[in-house]
Amino acid sequence: GENVGLHLPTLSVQEGDNSIINCAYSNSASDYFIWYKQESGKGPQFIIDIRSNMDKRQGQRVTVLLNKTVKHLSLQIAATQPGDSAVYFCAERVGGFKTIFGAGTRLFVKA
Amino acid sequence: KAGVTQTPRYLIKTRGQQVTLSCSPISGHRSVSWYQQTPGQGLQFLFEYFSETQRNKGNFPGRFSGRQFSNSRSEMNVSTLELGDSALYLCASSLESRSGANVLTFGAGSRLTVL
Repeated sequence: GENVGLHLPTLSVQEGDNSIINCAYSNSASDYFIWYKQESGKGPQFIIDIRSNMDKRQGQRVTVLLNKTVKHLSLQIAATQPGDSAVYFCAERVGGFKTIFGAGTRLFVKA
Repeated sequence: KAGVTQTPRYLIKTRGQQVTLSCSPISGHRSVSWYQQTPGQGLQFLFEYFSETQRNKGNFPGRFSGRQFSNSRSEMNVSTLELGDSALYLCASSLESRSGANVLTFGAGSRLTVL
């Protein structure tokens, strides 16, 4: 199936540190890139998105960076908290109303 | 407002059987997408419906089908179940927005086990 790829399947960080989750995508025509967070037993939940004509967007404690030259997307979480422990997916919107997800990165936050 | 509701939450079937899963989107959301989630393949796009029409389809065999009703509720069906169909099936709804990211709101999923 179609996939947006990820560089690291798992990431372990100390509480209070910053986390960086990376993602590589393949479709140059995608117009939006989105990050989702999935906690155990729940469906993915929207975190932040970025339009393809931007290179950076900031939210509350999160920043998404987009590098179209190398087709790379990253999610930065500042001052990581135990509640941030989850699986994070990058996704891209292709062809209007079709969203393709990457394989996911599991983030562990150590207290 | 109520979120996306999927039923049943858990079900067990045997090979060769068929299964129907149901999804009620958020009120006002007319687009419904379905995904299959497995540990090995992640979230795989199945199909997307809008106004009772399938607009997009993923790379799944014809055993996987779906439909959407006039009230935007959607069902997906898998016939002749195989062991590899064991997965979490996620439904997501969204507002149609050509100018935005078309953010998906997911249900908790239906976990299918095929024995």
